[in-house]
Amino acid sequence: GNSVTQMEGPVTLSEEAFLTINCTYTATGYPSLFWYVQYPGEGLQLLLKATKADDKGSNKGFEATYRKETTSFHLEKGSVQVSDSAVYFCALSEGVQGAQKLVFGQGTRLTINP
Amino acid sequence: NAGVTQTPKFRILKIGQSMTLQCTQDMNHNYMYWYRQDPGMGLKLIYYSVGAGITDKGEVPNGYNVSRSTTEDFPLRLELAAPSQTSVYFCASAPQGAYNEQFFGPGTRLTVL
Repeated sequence: GNSVTQMEGPVTLSEEAFLTINCTYTATGYPSLFWYVQYPGEGLQLLLKATKADDKGSNKGFEATYRKETTSFHLEKGSVQVSDSAVYFCALSEGVQGAQKLVFGQGTRLTINP
Repeated sequence: NAGVTQTPKFRILKIGQSMTLQCTQDMNHNYMYWYRQDPGMGLKLIYYSVGAGITDKGEVPNGYNVSRSTTEDFPLRLELAAPSQTSVYFCASAPQGAYNEQFFGPGTRLTVL
């Protein structure tokens, strides 16, 4: 079946550091890819998405490019802030029509120190 | 709009007890979902619904039941609670159409002792 693998956490960085969180996937067909973020005590929020190969999703300074040749969707940010501390989930969607079912990676906890 | 709301926020159950986790959305979304999140793991899909009266199993449906009598509500029922059901439960909804974002509720933390 389809699956998503994220880099192991936790990740701890200093403010203004460069961030990369790796995500690779296994899927039949051509899924859409997503990054969701979960702040402490809250539900998940969509951070960005890409629906086809070579698409780049971006939001709040975060970027990720859908790489079909390497089956990857790595999350990057050039300069992180303390407010970026959260758990980040990579996910793919199964099904283009009808209800899209999300398959999640295990999540990566990110802590940014001032 | 309140978005997706879930009640209760926390609950402790004894083995064998039953309970219903409530989920309501006010965005008129057709699609609704229930996920569970175990410590250090991603979310796993329990059940989903494409509209009132229509539900289907996800990856981990055993021990749970759902119903969808209205567009707004999608309750999750645990009939005989087991320690393996200790988890955080998230409800989500999405509008009809491809590539649409799922909107998540704040979650219910359930402990079964």
